[in-house]
Formats: sequence, C-alpha cells, structure tokens
Amino acid sequence: AQSVTQLDSHVSVSEGTPVLLRCNYSSSYSPSLFWYVQHPNKGLQLLLKYTSAATLVKGINGFEAEFKKSETSFHLTKPSAHMSDAAEYFCVVSDLDYKLSFGAGTTVTVRA
Amino acid sequence: NAGVTQTPKFQVLKTGQSMTLQCAQDMNHEYMSWYRQDPGMGLRLIHYSVGAGITDQGEVPNGYNVSRSTTEDFPLRLLSAAPSQTSVYFCASSGTGAGNTIYFGEGSWLTVV
Repeated sequence: AQSVTQLDSHVSVSEGTPVLLRCNYSSSYSPSLFWYVQHPNKGLQLLLKYTSAATLVKGINGFEAEFKKSETSFHLTKPSAHMSDAAEYFCVVSDLDYKLSFGAGTTVTVRA
Repeated sequence: NAGVTQTPKFQVLKTGQSMTLQCAQDMNHEYMSWYRQDPGMGLRLIHYSVGAGITDQGEVPNGYNVSRSTTEDFPLRLLSAAPSQTSVYFCASSGTGAGNTIYFGEGSWLTVV
C-alpha cells in the first residue's frame, strides 16, 4: 500500500522569499514521486517527477525537489516566490501498479 | 496534440438522473483512470484501466461504472446521481512504464441537486 502526507495544508509567503512544501510518503516498493500544481478552476500541471535517477529533481518555473529515502520525504522548494505561484500543490506517489495516491494538497498564498 | 480531453466541463444534474462523462486521449496510452476531487481530500481514484477491455475499481467506485472498448476512450457513467457525487472529476492517462508522466484532462465540474 502507498500513501502521501502533505504536512502543511496552507503556506503563505511574501513575494521574493523561499517556498517550502513538505511531503512524506510511504510505499512498499521503490516509488515514483511527482509534484503537480493546480491553479483555480484549472487542471493539474506536472511540475517535476522523481523516477529513481538523481535525487535532486529540477522542474518547471524554478521549482525543485529532493528525494530522501531515509526520511521518506520529497519536499518541494523554490528560492524566490512569484505571485503566479499562488495555487494548490499536490504531492503524488505511484507504485508498481501505476495507481496514484495523492496528498490532500497545500494551498500557497503569495503576499505582495 | 490534444492530450486528454474531457467533456462536458460543467454539468448540473437532478438526483436520480444518469449521465456519462467522456474522456479521450490521443497519445496511445494504455493506462487511463478517473479521479474525483473534493476539498481537503486531494484526488481519489474511482476506476482505472490498464488497456482496452480491462477495468478495475479504485478507492471510491460506488455509484460509478466504466468501460474501455478502445484504447482512446474511457467514459465514466453515473448510474443514479446523488448529491454526494457533486465534485470535480478528472480523467488521466499514461504509459505503463515506471515513472511515466501522467496527463490530466481539464476537469469536469458536476453538481447534483
């Protein structure tokens, strides 16, 4: 069985400051991990994915995430937040059977 | 390249009515799935398919039916709509290799009154 826990339901940052979104997972196998972003009333867009290659994964729009097997974590970061980063972010784990497990989501608010 | 196409985007149903949410993908993906999104719960898997003629239940299958007669299409049927099925529905598809990117449709907003 697999599961995902996003540790923060809401994160508020000032524009230009770093963003950290925390994600812990559990999986019986070597998982694939993803971060998706969803802007209001829109579909889900892939930010980045980890598939057992490099543990530091770079994605679109300046986001990156680090896979830490010992901590079962896959935290998402961005050095400098932009107003357009205001959205909901989902951490997702995929096991061998291709089914996805989603975290509950983290809503990011960016203050001017 | 259209990707994953869902229709309709918005729908209002009366309790007890039936309807079908359509999903089509043009990427020759074997794996397709349906999720529902409810506030504070992320996305939950309703049904999925690993190829034409093969479907299986996900986490929340009750009240929904699916079929997969072709690789491209994976419709989701609501048999007798209930207010608890008010939600946003997403269709997704991917290849079946490990770590394949999952592509999502734009979503279908369904309200049952």
